[in-house]
Amino acid sequence: GENVEQHPSTLSVQEGDSAVIKCTYSDSASNYFPWYKQELGKRPQLIIDIRSNVGEKKDQRIAVTLNKTAKHFSLHITETQPEDSAVFFCAASSNTGNQFYFGTGTSLTVIP
Amino acid sequence: NAGVTQTPKFQVLKTGQSMTLQCAQDMNHEYMSWYRQDPGMGLRLIHYSVGAGITDQGEVPNGYNVSRSTTEDFPLRLLSAAPSQTSVYFCASIRQGSTEAFFGQGTRLTVV
Repeated sequence: GENVEQHPSTLSVQEGDSAVIKCTYSDSASNYFPWYKQELGKRPQLIIDIRSNVGEKKDQRIAVTLNKTAKHFSLHITETQPEDSAVFFCAASSNTGNQFYFGTGTSLTVIP
Repeated sequence: NAGVTQTPKFQVLKTGQSMTLQCAQDMNHEYMSWYRQDPGMGLRLIHYSVGAGITDQGEVPNGYNVSRSTTEDFPLRLLSAAPSQTSVYFCASIRQGSTEAFFGQGTRLTVV
């Protein structure tokens, strides 16, 4: 089965700085890579995703990059704000689209 | 439109007891799944369903049963609870043709 690794497990940045979270996957059949944000005590929610036919996708302050050859993808958050503080999960999915394999999560703290 | 609703929000069980975690969605989504979230281990897939009457095992199915008699409901049963099943459980649903998973608010289960 798929194995998704995520680093770092914790990340602290100063407000206004950038944050980068990296994930690797093992199954070359995976072709969809979402990122979920989970605020404390709340449910995970999709913030951005990328498909294997795209190398980069951006949505305001967040962007995701994908390197299919190396089987890794990354989340980039620029101009971080305290409200960005949360746990972020990467995931990988194959064509079936309904089975997600999640990374272990990154706890991001943005220090005001 | 309530989305994905899980009950109960909190539960304490004694070892050996049985219980059912309820999950209901009102979005007419075909795909539903159960995850458990443990510290440092991310979200792990327990069981999933691609439609009424169809279920399958995920990464960590042992100790759990599911059924899908209707599109709306996807209960998770613990037949004989063990302390290792102490976790936060999330139900999620996905519309066919989409890839965004909508999560319930979670059930925090403690087995003593």
